[in-house]
Amino acid sequence: EVQLVESGGGLVQPGESLRLSCVASGFTLSSYTMTWVRQAPGKGLEWISFISRSGGTINFADSVRGRFAISRNNAKNSLYLQMNSLRADDTAVYYCVRGIEAADYYFDYWGRGALVTVSS
Amino acid sequence: SYELTQPPSVSVSPGQAARITCSGDALSEKYVYWYQQKSGQAPVLLIYEDDKRPSGIPERFSGSNSGTMAALTISGAQVEDEADYYCYSTDSNTNKVFGGGTKLTVL
Repeated sequence: EVQLVESGGGLVQPGESLRLSCVASGFTLSSYTMTWVRQAPGKGLEWISFISRSGGTINFADSVRGRFAISRNNAKNSLYLQMNSLRADDTAVYYCVRGIEAADYYFDYWGRGALVTVSS
Repeated sequence: SYELTQPPSVSVSPGQAARITCSGDALSEKYVYWYQQKSGQAPVLLIYEDDKRPSGIPERFSGSNSGTMAALTISGAQVEDEADYYCYSTDSNTNKVFGGGTKLTVL
């Protein structure tokens, strides 16, 4: 069974940093691209970052580019999201999501999410 | 930037068909995907590549995509289908876009 379990969420003040982790099980992490998708309270889904199988290709949504970093450790079955210079509008549930590269690029399995709250 | 537009809400009675639309420029030239998100839960993939169902998704869920509009149809909606539904597509290899979501009420 595919499982993605996020951790590291919490309450931080504006300008601070936080690192999310995601542990994958039930599949070989190195065979899949991975992404982070977030959802602000009461709002819709927003894709924020992508990382290729080897980690050699990454990209970000404009809303987080330059502040967030994505990385992975396939040997540890883990994905990470380093979030710096956090702002109130970064408050959201952050989902670790497995990507599928087929005729197009889409997401199949999602973790349960980690809540990040940015508030003074 | 590319945008996908969905109606904020759709309401049907149990057993009726529910149709949720998703519109965007030249959408028929792209693949559309649909996700279901029940309250407090993570999204689940319902439809991929316009009209394909992953294993385990009931047959009452179907998808279509033509012109500038894609649609998710639930034939015979059930109370347990109450959820938020999101369409998704890609504008380019790097631009991954969700629609704003549609809240389906079945009562």
